[in-house]
Amino acid sequence: QKEVEQDPGPLSVPEGAIVSLNCTYSNSAFQYFMWYRQYSRKGPELLMYTYSSGNKEDGRFTAQVDKSSKYISLFIRDSQPSDSATYLCTVSGGYQKVTFGTGTKLQVIP
Amino acid sequence: GAVVSQHPSRVICKSGTSVKIECRSLDFQATTMFWYRQFPKQSLMLMATSNEGSKATYEQGVEKDKFLINHASLTLSTLTVTSAHPEDSSFYICSARVTSGVSGANVLTFGAGSRLTVL
Repeated sequence: QKEVEQDPGPLSVPEGAIVSLNCTYSNSAFQYFMWYRQYSRKGPELLMYTYSSGNKEDGRFTAQVDKSSKYISLFIRDSQPSDSATYLCTVSGGYQKVTFGTGTKLQVIP
Repeated sequence: GAVVSQHPSRVICKSGTSVKIECRSLDFQATTMFWYRQFPKQSLMLMATSNEGSKATYEQGVEKDKFLINHASLTLSTLTVTSAHPEDSSFYICSARVTSGVSGANVLTFGAGSRLTVL
């Protein structure tokens, strides 16, 4: 079983839609959960990080962690064409190695 | 915020030559940097962990003599692909760990990546 599972997509939505991106993980010891956005041929950039369970909101983005089900989500409200990118979920135990999901490619159609 | 600068962004070389990629932390000191490799439509694969002043730690299956890593200062790590072959063509990305927020989460700041093409 992979440490992090992520639907690779691609996911195609119309502009203005609410997007839900999801990951599952296997190790209950993971405490830090991060979402990165990667545009084509660029390095990933940090979108949000969450420690332990709960929700965190930043503008149009909401990160959600459910440690009981080992499930993490990223919601994007009022999606824009500029949101078109690959979204990578990551998990770690803190100072330990960061484990990446395979990434979900999102396309927001104007 | 923390910025990692990576150069070159793109390099084309002939088979058998060596290529060096630099990764610099611009406004912070990075005792630990990470080197990743990414194939098209795939996620990042950790190649090695670079530690300032000591030997790099390589992931299983990564040839340390092929991918030389040097972390001579707190702001610079380099990856040298020695005797490059076409199968080494890939997107190489470095990152540095930055402690962020009151939770102390260690998040990664990435360079822009270097696309290597070996002819």
